[in-house]
Amino acid sequence: NAGVTQTPKFRILKIGQSMTLQCAQDMNHNYMYWYRQDPGMGLKLIYYSVGAGITDKGEVPNGYNVSRSTTEDFPLRLELAAPSQTSVYFCASRSGTGPATNEKLFFGSGTQLSVL
Amino acid sequence: AQTVTQSQPEMSVQEAETVTLSCTYDTSESDYYLFWYKQPPSRQMILVIRQEAYKQQNATENRFSVNFQKAAKSFSLKISDSQLGDAAMYFCAYYSGSARQLTFGSGTQLTVLP
Repeated sequence: NAGVTQTPKFRILKIGQSMTLQCAQDMNHNYMYWYRQDPGMGLKLIYYSVGAGITDKGEVPNGYNVSRSTTEDFPLRLELAAPSQTSVYFCASRSGTGPATNEKLFFGSGTQLSVL
Repeated sequence: AQTVTQSQPEMSVQEAETVTLSCTYDTSESDYYLFWYKQPPSRQMILVIRQEAYKQQNATENRFSVNFQKAAKSFSLKISDSQLGDAAMYFCAYYSGSARQLTFGSGTQLTVLP
């Protein structure tokens, strides 16, 4: 059971560089999410998707873009990396076919990104 | 917007003892769910327990139980018979049925002392 797979696990970027954080799930889940976790803080929602072709902004979307061309994949794009984007990024998914109370939210193991 | 507050950045407990982690939230919604997640050093987020707002009965999962006080908007987690493996960061989270989003608190770092 692969679950939610995130790559890479670690990355160092220079200011102004771009990169894509990959997220894939093999559970045929409709809902997928991107969170960031700053040191000593809780997770903040960046973007989410309720199905292929549908994305929406979360609490902190500035500086990021997403796409959802397939059910399985939900990549997060950083166009011009800034030091404020240094964080741990988590991707998560859930089925979305039933009430949230009956569904577990599956998390990936995170990507630690440093922008220097 | 909903907010979730965890006022205890750090807590410690002796092995085999009981500890309670606090969480309060602010909302005007009636349809919502509350969760406690555990994040060990591996960074994986692990669901500990969940509570539906419409249920008056407090949720329990083995050694973990909650004290859900809806009027006070309080949702504390009690860990009984604490074990070394319980040491982790614990996050309280609020799920909005209308916004379909999870909002997390800032976390409580729990240390279990042998």
